[in-house]
Amino acid sequence: NAGVTQTPKFQVLKTGQSMTLQCAQDMNHEYMSWYRQDPGMGLRLIHYSVGAGITDQGEVPNGYNVSRSTTEDFPLRLLSAAPSQTSVYFCASSKQGPQSNQPQHFGDGTRLSIL
Amino acid sequence: SQELEQSPQSLIVQEGKNLTINCTSSKTLYGLYWYKQKYGEGLIFLMMLQKGGEEKSHEKITAKLDEKKQQSSLHITASQPSHAGIYLCGADGGAQKLVFGQGTRLTINP
Repeated sequence: NAGVTQTPKFQVLKTGQSMTLQCAQDMNHEYMSWYRQDPGMGLRLIHYSVGAGITDQGEVPNGYNVSRSTTEDFPLRLLSAAPSQTSVYFCASSKQGPQSNQPQHFGDGTRLSIL
Repeated sequence: SQELEQSPQSLIVQEGKNLTINCTSSKTLYGLYWYKQKYGEGLIFLMMLQKGGEEKSHEKITAKLDEKKQQSSLHITASQPSHAGIYLCGADGGAQKLVFGQGTRLTINP
């Protein structure tokens, strides 16, 4: 199993550009989520999904869109990149949501810089 | 909403020394996860604690959950360079959301 795969690993964008961060998992997990990690702030939840066709906002959703057309894929879209979105982005998945007390599996992250 | 506070935020210890990292919650803890992150990499699941008083060990790392204190501690015995990294605690924040502490950066000096 590949686990959780994120692409790309690194990306540099100019302010105002749009892009999609890809996330795929091959474990048939229902719950998927996106976090951003900034120095001194730990991981903050951007969006999450409890299954195909269902998404919801996390703690810091502004400027990001998600969709979940399949169980395997959960892409994160930056609509119009801003320097404040410079961060490391992690995708994670688990069989069910946090209330099921199942650990989340994380991808290796996407390091995004907005100039 | 639930918040997790980790202490210390940064820790430098000499190889072979013991150390403890704490994670304190603003609300009752019904379960807590510990993850480790090596610099530039993703998070690796270490262990999960589900009950008050529960204690789990993996190699030289031991974690304990104190529900009354709304706190968990992570203890490393006889630290090694391989223990260096960022340690994060996470907990169910309600409404299908997982919340994390800000992380503790651990450096092991030879």
